[in-house]
Amino acid sequence: QSALTQPASVSGSPGQSITISCTRINTDVGDYTSVSWYQQHPGKAPKLILYDVTNRPSGVSDRFSGSKSDNTASLTISGLQAEDEADYFCGSYSINRDLRFFGGGTKLTVL
Amino acid sequence: QVQLVQSGAEVKKPGASVKVSCKASGYTFTGYYIHWVRQAPGQGLEWMGWINLNSGRTSYAQKFQGRVTMTRDVSATTVYMDLTSLKSDDTAVFYCAREKIGVTSYYFDHWGQGTPVTVSS
Repeated sequence: QSALTQPASVSGSPGQSITISCTRINTDVGDYTSVSWYQQHPGKAPKLILYDVTNRPSGVSDRFSGSKSDNTASLTISGLQAEDEADYFCGSYSINRDLRFFGGGTKLTVL
Repeated sequence: QVQLVQSGAEVKKPGASVKVSCKASGYTFTGYYIHWVRQAPGQGLEWMGWINLNSGRTSYAQKFQGRVTMTRDVSATTVYMDLTSLKSDDTAVFYCAREKIGVTSYYFDHWGQGTPVTVSS
């Protein structure tokens, strides 16, 4: 069982907003202050879209935003577009900073 | 620009070993970790471990300890991941990914293109 849990799938229509959660479910995960999110299209490498909960790398659309409350981090995608259809993974680290964890991934379907 | 270019696809028999390389360019090599991530077909991302490109120190996920070795060649700006005693469920795409050393943020800002490894008799 992953230390971070995500819903297996979410869906939304073009123009809508969706939110994907990432919950820390065991104490192997550290203080959870640095949570990252990755987008992966089929057959492609993952791409960083958010880091440190809310920060977007250069070039990432501002339609992607992040937040965190207690043990749950969230990724919100607003103004859904067909190109957003992909798998999304959250990531974090262990208490001693040596280990890294990924959530199980969420498949986003744009209807 | 930052690039991580991995070696090509591999086909191995059960019990064999595989060595995957990750050639880095476009940045200061020793300022980063390189992590390796495994993704089995249709599955999620699985973190395997990291190597500190400055010190050579490594840290491996418990699941892979004893079977994985990560090394680097600083002069060649290349990192290697060696996985031994391969089993059919090691069939996966293996990615290298970069993380900056010495900060309190933990994230992978650049990824290699992935190396498919098939383990089959």
